[in-house]
Amino acid sequence: EAGVVQSPRYKIIEKKQPVAFWCNPISGHNTLYWYRQNLGQGPELLIRYENEEAVDDSQLPKDRFSAERLKGVDSTLKIQPAELGDSAVYLCASSRQQGRAEAFFGQGTRLTVV
Amino acid sequence: DAKTTQPPSMDCAEGRAANLPCNHSTISGNEYVYWYRQIHSQGPQYIIHGLKNNETNEMASLIITEDRKSSTLILPHATLRDTAVYYCIAASVQGAQKLVFGQGTRLTINP
Repeated sequence: EAGVVQSPRYKIIEKKQPVAFWCNPISGHNTLYWYRQNLGQGPELLIRYENEEAVDDSQLPKDRFSAERLKGVDSTLKIQPAELGDSAVYLCASSRQQGRAEAFFGQGTRLTVV
Repeated sequence: DAKTTQPPSMDCAEGRAANLPCNHSTISGNEYVYWYRQIHSQGPQYIIHGLKNNETNEMASLIITEDRKSSTLILPHATLRDTAVYYCIAASVQGAQKLVFGQGTRLTINP
């Protein structure tokens, strides 16, 4: 089966500009996650969806970050405006259902804010 | 979710068994031990998980001590492609949805 697909793979933007990341999870996976990974650190959860509902967004900086998962399939994560500290790898993951341990991750989008 | 402690780095010779330790002394009865790994420039990859019994799959074996305060991930015949950062995570089935990653162990397989 196809894995989790993310695009773009790399993105370089100037600070204060907007940016969006796109994620296509594995077909049939109801749970979708967005993580942020800073250099040398483990991934940190930003938001989790069960179908189209955001069930955990406690770590999402809501002043500049937003996310949506239309029709419970694809998802986009947006930053507006971007700051220098937002430079990181943004990872999308999906799992078949709530409570399953096995999450499948995409390759991520490496964002550089200059 | 319980905190885990792992050595920051380890080396292993190609073809030998790689044994990665993890301490989770505050683990509670309903928390599983999960292992993921992250190869350079890729997203994390699920390896294995267990509650109290030892587990084995095509990738690795997981040995959990009887008191469940520590565990060891075993890669029986390490190859160069096993070079990665390995994360040990202790979480309940509910908490697994958050999968709190620490800094992991950077395993280097040497030829």
